[in-house]
Amino acid sequence: DTAVSQTPKYLVTQMGNDKSIKCEQNLGHDTMYWYKQDSKKFLKIMFSYNNKELIINETVPNRFSPKSPDKAHLNLHINSLELGDSAVYFCASSQEGLAVTDTQYFGPGTRLTVL
Amino acid sequence: KQEVTQIPAALSVPEGENLVLNCSFTDSAIYNLQWFRQDPGKGLTSLLLIQSSQREQTSGRLNASLDKSSGRSTLYIAASQPGDSATYLCAVKHSNYQLIWGAGTKLIIKP
Repeated sequence: DTAVSQTPKYLVTQMGNDKSIKCEQNLGHDTMYWYKQDSKKFLKIMFSYNNKELIINETVPNRFSPKSPDKAHLNLHINSLELGDSAVYFCASSQEGLAVTDTQYFGPGTRLTVL
Repeated sequence: KQEVTQIPAALSVPEGENLVLNCSFTDSAIYNLQWFRQDPGKGLTSLLLIQSSQREQTSGRLNASLDKSSGRSTLYIAASQPGDSATYLCAVKHSNYQLIWGAGTKLIIKP
């Protein structure tokens, strides 16, 4: 029974297209995250939502728009895709995000390739 | 600005050896430090979490230590096995809701 799931796992698309990545968690967590992992393997936080409210919005182009219809879902929509958007995108969730014992559970990642 | 560095970037050792992975961070004001494992094509799995008030945590063959004052953590793996081959990432919780990540150490255990 998958805890954090993402779809699709692979996404290949042309520059300029609009695409979405979906994320769902069945852990009952309050906080969800989107990360980008670049070719050098650095993980960078993009967004964090707590109870459907945006908490963290790092320096991300406004072509990226997260949407949280409910606590269990955090989707990522990307407009006008560019070559530099090619990366692996990870969704994660955690119980609340505040506690010193709070840890994050990750989805399997979505490998986005922009041609 | 908090920065996390992991050394070495890659490590290859024969099966059965004990090994140490290193993580350093620049700002000692952290809530916790966590070690994760990433397998190719898969997400990250939390291995150990050390709260800022703690010195170490153990899980099976894994032991992680934390020295906040010097900004260092180590992950010790005893009696390594081929199944331990993965990338190990260190992350510090520097503020609410946010982890700052190292680039990882790619570990290969040779049978």
